[in-house]
Amino acid sequence: DSGVTQTPKHLITATGQRVTLRCSPRSGDLSVYWYQQSLDQGLQFLIQYYNGEERAKGNILERFSAQQFPDLHSELNLSSLELGDSALYFCASSATFGADNEQFFGPGTRLTVL
Amino acid sequence: GQNIDQPTEMTATEGAIVQINCTYQTSGFNGLFWYQQHAGEAPTFLSYNVLDGLEEKGRFSSFLSRSKGYSYLLLKELQMKDSASYLCAVSYSNDYKLSFGAGTTVTVRA
Repeated sequence: DSGVTQTPKHLITATGQRVTLRCSPRSGDLSVYWYQQSLDQGLQFLIQYYNGEERAKGNILERFSAQQFPDLHSELNLSSLELGDSALYFCASSATFGADNEQFFGPGTRLTVL
Repeated sequence: GQNIDQPTEMTATEGAIVQINCTYQTSGFNGLFWYQQHAGEAPTFLSYNVLDGLEEKGRFSSFLSRSKGYSYLLLKELQMKDSASYLCAVSYSNDYKLSFGAGTTVTVRA
């Protein structure tokens, strides 16, 4: 158990819908990262927050947005969902914002868009 | 990405040794991580190399050559539970994020 929690574990929804994925980092960690992992692709970095502020952005679609709240939990919002958004979404946390810090991954949310 | 290359698949026999190579762009290189990921599960940290040389942790070792832009993960005395995907990830000085390779799926056969 990494100490990072993600909810829900599974999510099934329809095209065009909007969903919110939630992540709580390890106690004391200030950085949160979001990743997407599809069957045919590796781990794709989406976005990073550090202590409430956006720090780095990857190939995140405009339909996707995220935020980190004062209690350091984070939410990833996915809207106008398409079939291709079906994937495992991982959240990871680390102590600070530098990429040299070990990242601890949550169990993931499996999103299925029908 | 930063052109992080690793083989797609490798197969080995229980008790054997397997070496997973990873190459990357050297410009701005900071350090290199190896993560293990079982199917459908979260990646878990294996090792982190910053300096040249070999670091050993039990049955797993990781090697880095900064000048050659090359690393390998060595898995010894393979066990069935080692069947997983192994991800190479690189940090660069001009980037806050980690760049992940596509992963190498290792299958251990009896």
